Formats: sequence, structure tokens, C-alpha cells
Amino acid sequence: DAKTTQPTSMDCAEGRAANLPCNHSTISGNEYVYWYRQIHSQGPQYIIHGLKNNETNEMASLIITEDRKSSTLILPHATLRDTAVYYCIVRVGNNFNKFYFGSGTKLNVKP
Amino acid sequence: GAVVSQHPSRVICKSGTSVKIECRSLDFQATTMFWYRQFPKKSLMLMATSNEGSKATYEQGVEKDKFLINHASLTLSTLTVTSAHPEDSSFYICSATGTGGRNSPLHFGNGTRLTVT
Repeated sequence: DAKTTQPTSMDCAEGRAANLPCNHSTISGNEYVYWYRQIHSQGPQYIIHGLKNNETNEMASLIITEDRKSSTLILPHATLRDTAVYYCIVRVGNNFNKFYFGSGTKLNVKP
Repeated sequence: GAVVSQHPSRVICKSGTSVKIECRSLDFQATTMFWYRQFPKKSLMLMATSNEGSKATYEQGVEKDKFLINHASLTLSTLTVTSAHPEDSSFYICSATGTGGRNSPLHFGNGTRLTVT
């Protein structure tokens, strides 16, 4: 039921920007893209979300392509504590606005 | 920010007994709550959706008589695993959302690790 595909894992050097891609080619016009991350044995943590426009907050930036078929989460200066599984989720636009998680990307931030 | 509290964080029970997990939204009214299950090194799997005052809706393949969900108020939902068996051992996570619809983030609890012996 997840409408997203992400790479299984990525490495990033500490202090550098981490760019995590996500494909959601079947997204509908009223469906939002959400990003969460999960550190081992904890509940997922909200990062950012958007519909059409690029978004930025204190944690990250979200770049959504004009056709909305893909997006990129950018962590501008990755730290070791950013090592986690990152989930890109399309919030289903029908009944109850459910969240279906895909496989996510394991981001390894290395010193 | 919005906080969701889940209790207990860990529980060990004997096979055949029932276990109740509580999920509370502490500083907002949760019109909808979702329950997920996660196996080791796997992603979260949506089990059911509950709205305050109405029956939960279950995802395909999830036994509603095994996993009883009650959403009695706008701040509390409970999941009861009935007649638990070792295969029910898992990490259970609840989440809640307010009244903003699809433009409103889900807020997650920190999960309950259930071990059935």
C-alpha cells in the first residue's frame, strides 16, 4: 500500500549535506509527502511535509519536483545523531488519511 | 510540540493471557489514532485506524478479535492483544493526529515491546 520507493541505504560524512531521494510516481494531486525518521527501538519522529512547494524547517528541507513524482529530503549538516531509518510517506488522500510506511532508507552518518 | 504517550514501554506476558496497551495524546485532541506493528529490521505495518466513539477499521489480514481497539475519548486509545501467543511478540506503536486532516502530521508514541513467553 505504500506509494513510495527509496534506496535501501546511504552513507554520508559527518558535517556534509545528506540528500535522501524518494520516488512517488503515482501520487495524487491532494496527497501530501511526509518524511519521518526512526532511531532504533523508538517511535518515528516527524521531520517535514509538503504538497507542492519546497519546504524548510529547523531540521531539514524538502524539495518536491514540479511533477510531484519525486522528492528529496536534505539534512544540511549531518551529525552522527542523524543516523536512522528515514521514511518517505505519501499520505493517502481518501478515508482517514492513512500513513503507509515503505521500506525506508538507512542513513549512516560516518565520522 | 504534540506529544503522544504510550504505556507500557515493555511488557512480558505468558501465552494465553491478554495485554492492554494505552496510547494518550497529552496536549491535543486526537480525532484519529493509528496502531502499527513492527518486526525486527522491518518497516511499520498499519494494523488499524480508530476514531473516537466509533468502531476501529482494520487492515486486511489483521484479526479484529485478536487485536481489540477502543478509542473511548479524544485523548485515549487502547489496544488489547487477546489470548497472546509467542507469534504476537512484536513492537507495537500508536500514533495520533488532530483536526488538520491530511495537512496535519501524525505524532507517534515511543512504542511497546511485547514479549509473549
